[in-house]
Amino acid sequence: EADIYQTPRYLVIGTGKKITLECSQTMGHDKMYWYQQDPGMELHLIHYSYGVNSTEKGDLSSESTVSRIRTEHFPLTLESARPSHTSQYLCASSEPTRGETQYFGPGTRLLVL
Amino acid sequence: KNQVEQSPQSLIILEGKNCTLQCNYTVSPFSNLRWYKQDTGRGPVSLTIMTFSENTKSNGRYTATLDADTKQSSLHITASQLSDSASYICVVADRGSTLGRLYFGRGTQLTVWP
Repeated sequence: EADIYQTPRYLVIGTGKKITLECSQTMGHDKMYWYQQDPGMELHLIHYSYGVNSTEKGDLSSESTVSRIRTEHFPLTLESARPSHTSQYLCASSEPTRGETQYFGPGTRLLVL
Repeated sequence: KNQVEQSPQSLIILEGKNCTLQCNYTVSPFSNLRWYKQDTGRGPVSLTIMTFSENTKSNGRYTATLDADTKQSSLHITASQLSDSASYICVVADRGSTLGRLYFGRGTQLTVWP
């Protein structure tokens, strides 16, 4: 079991609200990732980070933003939630050994009404 | 275009039976291939990882094979258990970028019935 945590696990929120999804890992990994996954579909990379003060956009365009002020913490923020943001958001981290295997958190299921 | 295709999309088997899941990919240049297990409402958990030179890897009742020439992989589950019910995702990494870009399949949803 990987030491990577996400909160909240479930979130129901109204349109226009600002939300922050938390992700923390205690493994000291430099690389961290955010994925978006809809039911029955593949994971899509929306943000990643090589380390502190490093953030990059992934393959899937997203209106969310991320920050990496501390190695262990990689929060994702939506300034104004919309129903199209309804999805599951998965956070992951990886280490250079073991072929850069990514360890995933339990995910946050977001529902925007 | 780099892609990962999995089949079948879903599968139902009886407890104790064996099954094999398939993964075809077009990712190039190839680095490694992983199989992940994702329980409902949870994040994926790595089962196996294989590089170009490996053609089989086992993890308990899970055995993965890789044919890098035909770009095919399979995951064989032996003596299935109810806890094997999950989505099994094939993930292929390329070595053409510093990030180690990952390409995800849509998964095979396995249901094991008692």
